[in-house]
Amino acid sequence: GESVGLHLPTLSVQEGDNSIINCAYSNSASDYFIWYKQESGKGPQFIIDIRSNMDKRQGQRVTVLLNKTVKHLSLQIAATQPGDSAVYFCAENKVQGAQKLVFGQGTRLTINP
Amino acid sequence: DAMVIQNPRYQVTQFGKPVTLSCSQTLNHNVMYWYQQKSSQAPKLLFHYYDKDFNNEADTPDNFQSRRPNTSFCFLDIRSPGLGDAAMYLCATSSQVRQFFGPGTRLTVL
Repeated sequence: GESVGLHLPTLSVQEGDNSIINCAYSNSASDYFIWYKQESGKGPQFIIDIRSNMDKRQGQRVTVLLNKTVKHLSLQIAATQPGDSAVYFCAENKVQGAQKLVFGQGTRLTINP
Repeated sequence: DAMVIQNPRYQVTQFGKPVTLSCSQTLNHNVMYWYQQKSSQAPKLLFHYYDKDFNNEADTPDNFQSRRPNTSFCFLDIRSPGLGDAAMYLCATSSQVRQFFGPGTRLTVL
């Protein structure tokens, strides 16, 4: 079956450093990808998205890179802060009528002081 | 400015006792979703409504039902909760592509 997965379940970085969270996907027909941040006890919060006709998109302190050749998606967070500690999910959105998200397994990011 | 609201935030029920979780939205989105999320796992889609059209996932147990009386509200009914149904239940909405999630309801089954 089609799935979106992450390479690493946990990631620890020092406060102020940059972090990179990776995601592999298997559905080459997917044309839209999303990153969500989920803090403990809360619902997923939208971070950034990217369409398949792009290979890079930047937001505030975050950048998403899409490599369609190897079906790889990454989220870069610059100058990490304690508030960045959370679980990060990539998701694949099959844009066909009612949109459905296929989530990756998630990466827990811990920011060390 | 709450956009997707879930009530209650915490729900405790007894084994086999029916329970209903509620979701409302102020976004006027036409699609509403219910997800189940267990500890340290990704959200799993149970079903969704596209306007009034109900779309069930193939592996969603019959124990889970949903109602959407109008655009703003959507309910998740668990007819006979088992211990394995203890989880976070997330409601989400969308109008085009991006989905907006509520804070979730944590369900405990005793």
